[in-house]
Amino acid sequence: DAGVTQSPTHLIKTRGQHVTLRCSPISGHKSVSWYQQVLGQGPQFIFQYYEKEERGRGNFPDRFSARQFPNYSSELNVNALLLGDSALYLCASSPDRPLSTDTQYFGPGTRLTVL
Amino acid sequence: QQQVKQSPQSLIVQKGGISIINCAYENTAFDYFPWYQQFPGKGPALLIAIRPDVSEKKEGRFTISFNKSAKQFSLHIMDSQPGDSATYFCAARRGGATNKLIFGTGTLLAVQP
Repeated sequence: DAGVTQSPTHLIKTRGQHVTLRCSPISGHKSVSWYQQVLGQGPQFIFQYYEKEERGRGNFPDRFSARQFPNYSSELNVNALLLGDSALYLCASSPDRPLSTDTQYFGPGTRLTVL
Repeated sequence: QQQVKQSPQSLIVQKGGISIINCAYENTAFDYFPWYQQFPGKGPALLIAIRPDVSEKKEGRFTISFNKSAKQFSLHIMDSQPGDSATYFCAARRGGATNKLIFGTGTLLAVQP
C-alpha cells in the first residue's frame, strides 16, 4: 500500500504570496494532521482534521488554514507568506478517531522556501 | 507544561555500542510517548512507542525505558549500526480530543564504523 503522499516536494515562493500544499492519507485513514518543521527543530502541530472537520489547531496565526475533502485528502493553505514560514511541512495520517492513540504515519513533507 | 525536553542534542557512538537518548516532560496528562526516526529529506517514521502504564518496551534493538514518577523516558539503541545514523525525536500526546503530538528538539545520532 502507498504511504502518505504530499505534493509538491519543493516549493519556492516570495514574501506576501500564498501557497497550497496537498496531502493524500494512507488508504482507509480518516484523520489528517499537519505539522511544521523548521530546520533543526522538532515538528510543530498546526491542524488536525477528522471526517472533514477541524479537531485541533496549534498556535499558528490565521494566515494558516486547512481543509479536508470527502476522500480524506487535505490541503494546507498559507497566506501572506513570511520569511519565517520557510520550513518542511509534514502531513500525517492515522486510521481512526482523534481520541485514539493510533500511530501517526508521516509523509515525506513539502519543503517550502520563502524568499 | 506542554514541552518535551530532549537530550543530548547530538551523539556520536561507535558501531556496536549503545545509543541512549533521554526525554523529560512536565504534563502528567500525556498518555502516549512515541519515538520517531528521521533521515535527511524524509518524514519522521515511528520506531517504537509506550504508554505510561508500562515501564519498558523492547522491539528488536530498540528499547524504551519509562519512569512515570520522574516524568522521564529514554530510547536505547543496542548494537548501534551506521544505518542508524539519523535524527531521533521523542514525542508525547496529551489525552483529549486531538491526536496532537508534541515533539522534542531532536538528537542527531552518528554511528561511526
